[in-house]
Amino acid sequence: GIQVEQSPPDLILQEGANSTLRCNFSDSVNNLQWFHQNPWGQLINLFYIPSGTKQNGRLSATTVATERYSLLYISSSQTTDSGVYFCVTYSSASKIIFGSGTRLSIRP
Amino acid sequence: NAGVTQTPKFQVLKTGQSMTLQCAQDMNHEYMSWYRQDPGMGLRLIHYSVGAGITDQGEVPNGYNVSRSTTEDFPLRLLSAAPSQTSVYFCASSYAGAGAEAFFGQGTRLTVV
Repeated sequence: GIQVEQSPPDLILQEGANSTLRCNFSDSVNNLQWFHQNPWGQLINLFYIPSGTKQNGRLSATTVATERYSLLYISSSQTTDSGVYFCVTYSSASKIIFGSGTRLSIRP
Repeated sequence: NAGVTQTPKFQVLKTGQSMTLQCAQDMNHEYMSWYRQDPGMGLRLIHYSVGAGITDQGEVPNGYNVSRSTTEDFPLRLLSAAPSQTSVYFCASSYAGAGAEAFFGQGTRLTVV
């Protein structure tokens, strides 16, 4: 089945810094999403991005489907950006597959 | 448009009790699934369904039952709760097939004492 790997596993930054999170997948995919799980446990849908680039405020994402990776950019980090970021795709049997996540901590 | 609704948000059970976690979606999605997330861990698939009347097991199905009698609802039943089932449970839904976007409920925090 499809393997989804995320890097780095942990990231600690000062408020105001920029960061890049990476998601590699082992096979071609038709679906790629980024979620933020905040410290209260809620899963927040950031981007649905099977290919191309999207931006939403300080966040943007790029998926290069032919090279099997996606990047999530966070600029001017705020403490509210802390949490775990998951990359999510689907298997051929329509099962949702989660990456292992990147735990981001933004220090004030 | 409510999206994916999970109830309850919080629940405390005694060992051996049974209960049902509810999940409902109003987007006419074929695919629905249940996950559990233990502290510091990712989400693990419990059961999933690709349509009414069709269910299948995920990675960690033991101790849980599901049914899908309608497109909208996908309840998760704990038959005899155990402390090992203390976790946060998430329900998800999407259209089936390539290119589908997944939507998640707010989660149910379950504690078994």
